[in-house]
Amino acid sequence: DTGVSQNPRHKITKRGQNVTFRCDPISEHNRLYWYRQTLGQGPEFLTYFQNEAQLEKSRLLSDRFSAERPKGSFSTLEIQRTEQGDSAMYLCASSSRDRGKYFGPGTRLTVL
Amino acid sequence: GDSVTQMEGPVTLSEEAFLTINCTYTATGYPSLFWYVQYPGEGLQLLLKATKADDKGSNKGFEATYRKETTSFHLEKGSVQVSDSAVYFCALSEGGRQGAQKLVFGQGTRLTINP
Repeated sequence: DTGVSQNPRHKITKRGQNVTFRCDPISEHNRLYWYRQTLGQGPEFLTYFQNEAQLEKSRLLSDRFSAERPKGSFSTLEIQRTEQGDSAMYLCASSSRDRGKYFGPGTRLTVL
Repeated sequence: GDSVTQMEGPVTLSEEAFLTINCTYTATGYPSLFWYVQYPGEGLQLLLKATKADDKGSNKGFEATYRKETTSFHLEKGSVQVSDSAVYFCALSEGGRQGAQKLVFGQGTRLTINP
């Protein structure tokens, strides 16, 4: 396994700007998850894909957030009109049916 | 909804000390339980897991037993090393729609081991 990769690793933006993060899962994994982790807290579930279908979204995912997984491979998470409260580490994880979840290193977002 | 509560940190120990990090959970069903570790600058890594009551998960000298009667999954290690310094997260797996197995995490416990 080459592991889950995420880009960029760090993003600093000004309030009101749009940002997009990318996650490349382990190639044979059909399940992909996004989580958000704020300072001093555990990760919180945001959304889940099985192949290209987004099958579940948390209430934490406001309408400023959108996630896609075209062709069931990489995924993107976009945040529109960022707010200071969006500052967090955004984690991606992938898995297949019979295996545990593998997490990427995360993208740290800072909104000024 | 389901939830996980961990002992608050930070925890500081000397090398070779005995470690316990407490974890209790609340769940409506029978979740799988996990410990994840996050080393500085790295992603979350699965440390160990248990899928049913009385199961013991173990890895790298760490152990945790799924106790349904006390709804607990405490992490233990008999002799810690400096390299064990990290943040430890207890988590449970909550079933969701269409096969989603969402993880519900505790707030994490930062462990520092001094030589």
